[in-house]
Amino acid sequence: DAKTTQPPSMDCAEGRAANLPCNHSTISGNEYVYWYRQIHSQGPQYIIHGLKNNETNEMASLIITEDRKSSTLILPHATLRDTAVYYCIVRVVETGANNLFFGTGTRLTVIP
Amino acid sequence: NAGVTQTPKFQVLKTGQSMTLQCAQDMNHNSMYWYRQDPGMGLRLIYYSASEGTTDKGEVPNGYNVSRLNKREFSLRLESAAPSQTSVYFCASSLTFSGTVNTEAFFGQGTRLTVV
Repeated sequence: DAKTTQPPSMDCAEGRAANLPCNHSTISGNEYVYWYRQIHSQGPQYIIHGLKNNETNEMASLIITEDRKSSTLILPHATLRDTAVYYCIVRVVETGANNLFFGTGTRLTVIP
Repeated sequence: NAGVTQTPKFQVLKTGQSMTLQCAQDMNHNSMYWYRQDPGMGLRLIYYSASEGTTDKGEVPNGYNVSRLNKREFSLRLESAAPSQTSVYFCASSLTFSGTVNTEAFFGQGTRLTVV
């Protein structure tokens, strides 16, 4: 199973881009990279996912390196409401399960 | 459209008591999951149900049982609660169960359980 490594915490100034890195050096060819975030004690919220191409949606952009061993989640204009724990997850397929294994994530603090 | 609804939101149990956490989704999703989250840690999968009528163990199934009552509902039961089960429990659902289709999961707001 591919595992992910993220920095435990990061700060970002309000209005600036937040770039959250993730290493997944043992990722397999058919495994996707998912990003979720958890604001305070709420349930995790899906942000974005990708396989090999860069992806963008209304919340964020996902940049995956060509060798797929790392990725970066970009919040283009961070706001105070983006303060949360961000989880980078590689989707594991085990006995057909469509489940997600969460690590400890990166705690992003957006500073006014 | 409520998404994933969990009840109750808070619960205090005495050691040895039993209870059932309820989860319902209105998105016509096939797969449902139960996670627990301990302070300062990520979520750990307890049980999941790939589709109606099936359930399987996740990372930390000991001390729990589940029932996939129908497509909408997936309950988690603690038969004899222990202080080690004090945690926040999250239910989630996703559209498709498949080895090749990757679909996002939607989470409920959690049940905060304390066992004293």
